[in-house]
Amino acid sequence: DVKVTQSSRYLVKRTGEKVFLECVQDMDHENMFWYRQDPGLGLRLIYFSYDVKMKEKGDIPEGYSVSREKKERFSLILESASTNQTSMYLCASSILFYEQYFGPGTRLTVT
Amino acid sequence: QKEVEQDPGPLSVPEGAIVSLNCTYSNSAFQYFMWYRQYSRKGPELLMYTYSSGNKEDGRFTAQVDKSSKYISLFIRDSQPSDSATYLCAMTSSGTYKYIFGTGTRLKVLA
Repeated sequence: DVKVTQSSRYLVKRTGEKVFLECVQDMDHENMFWYRQDPGLGLRLIYFSYDVKMKEKGDIPEGYSVSREKKERFSLILESASTNQTSMYLCASSILFYEQYFGPGTRLTVT
Repeated sequence: QKEVEQDPGPLSVPEGAIVSLNCTYSNSAFQYFMWYRQYSRKGPELLMYTYSSGNKEDGRFTAQVDKSSKYISLFIRDSQPSDSATYLCAMTSSGTYKYIFGTGTRLKVLA
């Protein structure tokens, strides 16, 4: 079974803090993704990576950056957290077009 | 207009009912059509995918794609309380891992 783990289930941070969200997958997948999920807006792609050190912007990259130093690990960084970044963050990995494996999510609250 | 439209529900049905969940889309380049199920406080998991048009059946679940109408459906037969979840449609075209997700339909199956 593919396992995608995320470092925290719940996180509370203050405005202006630098925030790191970590994601690890155990299936040697090339592709990894970061989404945010908001009511009424669904899942929106922030960044994805198709190889180590390779990344591409998704639909809403503003205010975020990513790091992929090792194949199994993909980090999402909020350089200076703002209240409009309060959301559920989901990491996923894949090897096939039609199947992405998701982690359990991190619910981030920025106060 | 959103690229993918999905009725958010909630949809409440009695146990044993046939459930129909639907999405419409506007981009004729989409070729892969997926249905994900998301239980409360969990990440989405792939239920079924269809490539191009047609039907696909897996146990109690049937996915249908009508490309001429830009309309996809997921049918659940003999629905069970354990089917209570949010169902997300997703689609993408060949050569890209960027999905467009629907906002999800919340389904509640009453025992």
